[in-house]
Amino acid sequence: GAGVSQSPSNKVTEKGKDVELRCDPISGHTALYWYRQSLGQGLEFLIYFQGNSAPDKSGLPSDRFSAERTGGSVSTLTIQRTQQEDSAVYLCASSLVAFELYEQYFGPGTRLTVT
Amino acid sequence: AQSVTQLDSQVPVFEEAPVELRCNYSSSVSVYLFWYVQYPNQGLQLLLKYLSGSTLVKGINGFEAEFNKSQTSFHLRKPSVHISDTAEYFCAVTSEGGAQKLVFGQGTRLTINP
Repeated sequence: GAGVSQSPSNKVTEKGKDVELRCDPISGHTALYWYRQSLGQGLEFLIYFQGNSAPDKSGLPSDRFSAERTGGSVSTLTIQRTQQEDSAVYLCASSLVAFELYEQYFGPGTRLTVT
Repeated sequence: AQSVTQLDSQVPVFEEAPVELRCNYSSSVSVYLFWYVQYPNQGLQLLLKYLSGSTLVKGINGFEAEFNKSQTSFHLRKPSVHISDTAEYFCAVTSEGGAQKLVFGQGTRLTINP
């Protein structure tokens, strides 16, 4: 079946602009994660959604970052007033049941470049 | 808090040679351990995972890893590598309960030379 998809694959934006990154998880997966992969920081957890529970936002680096998950499926990560340090690859992952299987399936990522 | 240390940022080896990629972790609770591989311009793919039971875990593409609780290690090994194994390898840890968010090491770039 289809894997996790992300769009766009590449995004170049000017400093100060807002961007939206989209993630389509595997159908039926209840848990969804956002991670960021950057040269200086490696792979970092950003935010986690599980079913209808309140999201775990503990990894968001600043209040310029937000995310939502509509209808328990598609998720959008929004970065407001982008800064050059936001340049990174943003990875989305989903899993069937967060607790039991511990296997997260990753999308190909969105490469964000802030100029 | 959990953390993962991958001791080697780059590992060059010759084709058909054995390889070991080292991973150490720190955690105050029981952990679950993973190795992911990232091929050039691709997303992360799970190689193997340790949740419980046998400490020797076998994964895809001929890789295996051994969980050593006393040494807090989870080293990845392959007895004979191929050119196609050239990739970046990430060790990760999570714990039971909560978000199961993965904490990753910095990655090891494995380069296979002919």
